Amino acid sequence: KNEVEQSPQNLTAQEGEFITINCSYSVGISALHWLQQHPGGGIVSLFMLSSGKKKHGRLIATINIQEKHSSLHITASHPRDSAVYICAVSSVIKAAGNKLTFGGGTRVLVKP
Amino acid sequence: NAGVTQTPKFRVLKTGQSMTLLCAQDMNHEYMYWYRQDPGMGLRLIHYSVGEGTTAKGEVPDGYNVSRLKKQNFLLGLESAAPSQTSVYFCASTYSRISYEQYFGPGTRLTVT
Repeated sequence: KNEVEQSPQNLTAQEGEFITINCSYSVGISALHWLQQHPGGGIVSLFMLSSGKKKHGRLIATINIQEKHSSLHITASHPRDSAVYICAVSSVIKAAGNKLTFGGGTRVLVKP
Repeated sequence: NAGVTQTPKFRVLKTGQSMTLLCAQDMNHEYMYWYRQDPGMGLRLIHYSVGEGTTAKGEVPDGYNVSRLKKQNFLLGLESAAPSQTSVYFCASTYSRISYEQYFGPGTRLTVT
């Protein structure tokens, strides 16, 4: 079993719909990261969180440390949100060099 | 700031050839990483460095070597390329303080024929 599991693997939505991507992890973490990768593009960090909730524009990330679960929500989705969203966790062990363990990614397609 | 840069962006190698990928960052980050990304496999850590002159193995280090002679540069070498090393390679860097976001380079698409 992978240490970081994402669901769904693929998601298609109509423009304007509310999107939720889930991430579960099985190890102790110091933080959880949400990353975005557009087709053929680089990887950018959207959020890093260790508790509670963060919001940036139409994106909201939440984490429940007790349940080892995080969600990324996209409100009022737009075709430009079409991308792969990747969940990653950083180790609680400082000596691990802040290494990230990644989920498999969720491919999101938003249709106009 | 240029952030994290990678050279080259694309490369085609024949089996057995060697090459070096260069990663450079101008943010004075202590930690640097090399990942590979393959369809269906996600991102996997090849090697990483927690400071100038130090390197460590990641999840998939076989067939690769690295060096960090200067704090701002992290080199990934393939001594004898194999088709299994066809992949997209990403470099990333971050500060040494715990739980800081990683900054990724634009990637290098490598094909080994």
